[in-house]
Amino acid sequence: DAGVTQSPTHLIKTRGQQVTLRCSPKSGHDTVSWYQQALGQGPQFIFQYYEEEERQRGNFPDRFSGHQFPNYSSELNVNALLLGDSALYLCASSLTRGGRYTFGSGTRLTVV
Amino acid sequence: SQQGEEDPQALSIQEGENATMNCSYKTSINNLQWYRQNSGRGLVHLILIRSNEREKHSGRLRVTLDTSKKSSSLLITASRAADTASYFCATDAGGNKLVFGAGTILRVKS
Repeated sequence: DAGVTQSPTHLIKTRGQQVTLRCSPKSGHDTVSWYQQALGQGPQFIFQYYEEEERQRGNFPDRFSGHQFPNYSSELNVNALLLGDSALYLCASSLTRGGRYTFGSGTRLTVV
Repeated sequence: SQQGEEDPQALSIQEGENATMNCSYKTSINNLQWYRQNSGRGLVHLILIRSNEREKHSGRLRVTLDTSKKSSSLLITASRAADTASYFCATDAGGNKLVFGAGTILRVKS
């Protein structure tokens, strides 16, 4: 039973570019959440997707957008990258009724 | 901004000793969860304690929750070198998201 799969593992982008990160949830899970973790800090909630719609959003600018597909997989898009967007991006899946979350190994994004 | 704080920020102990980490939070919660993170990789779920529970055990882990003080503690007994990691508490207030603290870095020396 596969857990949460994220791709790519590492990514280097230039300021101003756009990036797309991908996440496949744990089998049986229908909800996907994205978190940003800066170095030395705890993860910060970006947004959550359920039934292909954004259900909840954290304090992140509109440059951060997402999508959920019918098979529950999800993408996180970041436009006009800033140096401060360099972080570990974590995807977590869960069941909509709540409870525990299963996290992927993350995508390490470096903006230069 | 983050929900609460973990204490201490860093902890260094000898193998076989117990490690205690504390977490404080600010709002009412449905549950509180503890996660482990190795070397800046993914988070591993350790234990979930609901707001109506006061103590929970899982193997060498013991978690307590005091909702009147808005605090929780994680005790790892008989620590091993493999327990070296960052530990985070996260609160679920029913808003479809987890709010994490800044974490405690645990180093277990062999």
